[in-house]
Amino acid sequence: AQSVTQLDSQVPVFEEAPVELRCNYSSSVSVYLFWYVQYPNQGLQLLLKYLSGSTLVESINGFEAEFNKSQTSFHLRKPSVHISDTAEYFCAVSDRGGGSNYKLTFGKGTLLTVNP
Amino acid sequence: KAGVTQTPRYLIKTRGQQVTLSCSPISGHRSVSWYQQTPGQGLQFLFEYFSETQRNKGNFPGRFSGRQFSNSRSEMNVSTLELGDSALYLCASSLGTGWNTEAFFGQGTRLTVV
Repeated sequence: AQSVTQLDSQVPVFEEAPVELRCNYSSSVSVYLFWYVQYPNQGLQLLLKYLSGSTLVESINGFEAEFNKSQTSFHLRKPSVHISDTAEYFCAVSDRGGGSNYKLTFGKGTLLTVNP
Repeated sequence: KAGVTQTPRYLIKTRGQQVTLSCSPISGHRSVSWYQQTPGQGLQFLFEYFSETQRNKGNFPGRFSGRQFSNSRSEMNVSTLELGDSALYLCASSLGTGWNTEAFFGQGTRLTVV
């Protein structure tokens, strides 16, 4: 069975500061990795994903995450946050079976609060 | 193109009643998954349908059921509602085959059981 651990339930930071949201996973099979963001009263939006290839993946709004297979981690980083980045962030995995066994296993989420 | 549409957005039901939630996936997507989100348990997988067949099911009681129609639209049903069923129910659609497992989520249906 897969599991995802997001080590921090809340992360408060000041605007323009760097941030790292931590995610570790456990799985007996190879996985795909995702970060989703949820704004208040909204569904989930895909922020970035790792499927294969380069272990460093980037989003269009300045976030990046690095897949570390040896440490089973997929931490999310941004060098300088904005007030508008305030949201809840979820790390998720799905196994590479994809297709016939598709499902996402989510972490508990990290609430990022960016203060002025 | 239109995103994933969930209806209704908000629902209030009484204990013991049943409820049906609807999800229209992105055009061309054949996989629809359902998740329950609560403050205590987080996001939990309910089930996934692909081409009208349930391919995977989470660890929920039989009161939770679903189906998918030939146009890929999906419904989930919860019977004999309990207070603990109060949650945000999220639907996600994807192409659902091979590498194309990226899931797109709807805005959810907020169910309150009183």
